[in-house]
Amino acid sequence: QVQLVESGGGVVQPGRSLRLSCVASGFTFSSYAMHWVRQAPGKGLEWVATLSYDGNTKYYADSVKGRLTISRDNSKNTLFLQMDSLRAEDTALYYCAKNYGGNSLFCDYWGQGTLVTVSS
Amino acid sequence: DIQMTQSPSSLSASVGDRVTITCRASQNIRTYLNWYQQKPGKAPKLLIYGVSSLHSGVPSRFSGSGSGTDFTLTISSLQPEDFATYYCQQSYSTPLTFGGGTKVEIK
Repeated sequence: QVQLVESGGGVVQPGRSLRLSCVASGFTFSSYAMHWVRQAPGKGLEWVATLSYDGNTKYYADSVKGRLTISRDNSKNTLFLQMDSLRAEDTALYYCAKNYGGNSLFCDYWGQGTLVTVSS
Repeated sequence: DIQMTQSPSSLSASVGDRVTITCRASQNIRTYLNWYQQKPGKAPKLLIYGVSSLHSGVPSRFSGSGSGTDFTLTISSLQPEDFATYYCQQSYSTPLTFGGGTKVEIK
């Protein structure tokens, strides 16, 4: 079965960096686009970024463009989110999610999330 | 950006009730509309994609309809395990956007 396990979250000061990881199993990771979606405490879902199956095409929310970078290592079935110049408003639970397939842009499986808290 | 507006933001219903949640897009998104269910402390789960296609394992009491800008999620007979927050999401174009959510509570 599909499993997505995020890690790397924690408490970080504003302006600092953090790198999130998501290890995938149960499907052919290198064949699917992947997403990061976040949820601030008590709030709704916010799409962050999407990466194509081969890593060549990336999409970002305007709120994170230039500060957060999505990448992947298909040899290790791992998705990453490099988070630089962090702000208080980046505080959220970050979910890794698998894309449904083909040219679709929605998530059919989600990890349990990793919490990022940006605070001085 | 395409704005997704859900209504109501919350509702109270009883087991066995028929529940309808509405999602409106700020522009035509054809049939690129998906629904997710999220229970407290849990990750979201895909319920319906492409307006009306049920994801694997989703009970048939869930259904979706609509096209263009107006969409609905219907639960034909609410079950105890259906009390959760529901989100719509457009996959027509980036940035991908979600509705604000509808919390379904027990009456």
